[in-house]
Amino acid sequence: SQQGEEDPQALSIQEGENATMNCSYKTSINNLQWYRQNSGRGLVHLILIRSNEREKHSGRLRVTLDTSKKSSSLLITASRAADTASYFCATANMFSGGYNKLIFGAGTRLAVHP
Amino acid sequence: EAQVTQNPRYLITVTGKKLTVTCSQNMNHEYMSWYRQDPGLGLRQIYYSMNVEVTDKGDVPEGYKVSRKEKRNFPLILESPSPNQTSLYFCASILTGGTNTEAFFGQGTRLTVV
Repeated sequence: SQQGEEDPQALSIQEGENATMNCSYKTSINNLQWYRQNSGRGLVHLILIRSNEREKHSGRLRVTLDTSKKSSSLLITASRAADTASYFCATANMFSGGYNKLIFGAGTRLAVHP
Repeated sequence: EAQVTQNPRYLITVTGKKLTVTCSQNMNHEYMSWYRQDPGLGLRQIYYSMNVEVTDKGDVPEGYKVSRKEKRNFPLILESPSPNQTSLYFCASILTGGTNTEAFFGQGTRLTVV
């Protein structure tokens, strides 16, 4: 079952522009994370925001979380060609046994053109 | 260096020929998981393990087996592969505790079943 649903599915921008990706989810969460995937490679953790946080920054990344709307956004400022990748949100939900089940969305493909 | 090592990276096999994809982590994590990635579907969890000798089904377990005889290794076994198991597979070793969750991914195994 998919929890996180990213939108848009694909985004094409010019270098220097900002890129915004959105993620919606269905159930209550412990935290939400964003991952990056270069073509065909493993995902790399970018940033985590806890359910009691509203905004978080890391370098050129800004993540917001609105638990009332069950949505999150990832903003990449001043994008570079090297930011070209797929970006996934993943929600962590407490499961029986006390572990956080990670559920990934389908991802947003970002292309940054020089 | 934190590492998740998956092998092989690429595999072409024939229907019905048993195969094993290995996964090893050096972070002493208790929680490990297998995912498959298909276009438009994101990552779907196949099996996970919360500790040695503790495994459970994810969302798409049919046709797969796993074992966890030691903490560092979590192999994925396809007893009788079929063409619908052609996919990109990822092993993840997951740091989880309280509200923190971070998944470390292997480089992926691209499997083709003909």
